[in-house]
Amino acid sequence: NAGVTQTPKFRVLKTGQSMTLLCAQDMNHEYMYWYRQDPGMGLRLIHYSVGEGTTAKGEVPDGYNVSRLKKQNFLLGLESAAPSQTSVYFCASSSPQGYEDEQYFGPGTRLTVT
Amino acid sequence: QQPVQSPQAVILREGEDAVINCSSSKALYSVHWYRQKHGEAPVFLMILLKGGEQKGHDKISASFNEKKQQSSLYLTASQLSYSGTYFCGTERDGTASKLTFGTGTRLQVTL
Repeated sequence: NAGVTQTPKFRVLKTGQSMTLLCAQDMNHEYMYWYRQDPGMGLRLIHYSVGEGTTAKGEVPDGYNVSRLKKQNFLLGLESAAPSQTSVYFCASSSPQGYEDEQYFGPGTRLTVT
Repeated sequence: QQPVQSPQAVILREGEDAVINCSSSKALYSVHWYRQKHGEAPVFLMILLKGGEQKGHDKISASFNEKKQQSSLYLTASQLSYSGTYFCGTERDGTASKLTFGTGTRLQVTL
């Protein structure tokens, strides 16, 4: 099993450009999440999904959109990138079944907006 | 509301012990603990759900106080491999396992 994978690993954008980050998981998890991680601020939840076709806002959703058309994929879009969106983006997934619903994280995408 | 972690950083010699605290102003549904090594993804350590609960594996354990507002992570006889940043993630209710993470505690273990 690959677990959680993210594409791309690195990306440099110019202000105003758009892009989509892809997250894929092969563990049949219901829940998926997008976080951003900035120095000194920990992980902050951007958007999350509790199942195929459903998404919801997290702590810092502004400037981002998401879609979950297939259970195994969760896409994060930036329509018009801004320097404030320079960050490391992590995707995670978890299952509501069982006692320990740990989140499994992908390797991250390092995004720089100039 | 973001939980408060303390200390922000700690340096240990191999074999020493450390305690990392995570506090919330309101009662929590659960607390998760993760460790992240530099340049890598966070890795799950454990979850605590019940007030008064204590659990652990190997030489890393954690507790959740009776009021479910504070959790502590205990690292005993630290090893070089324990180095990294430790995050607590708190859950206010049991919906969707949404976590709010603290700002992290950077732990460095030296020889």
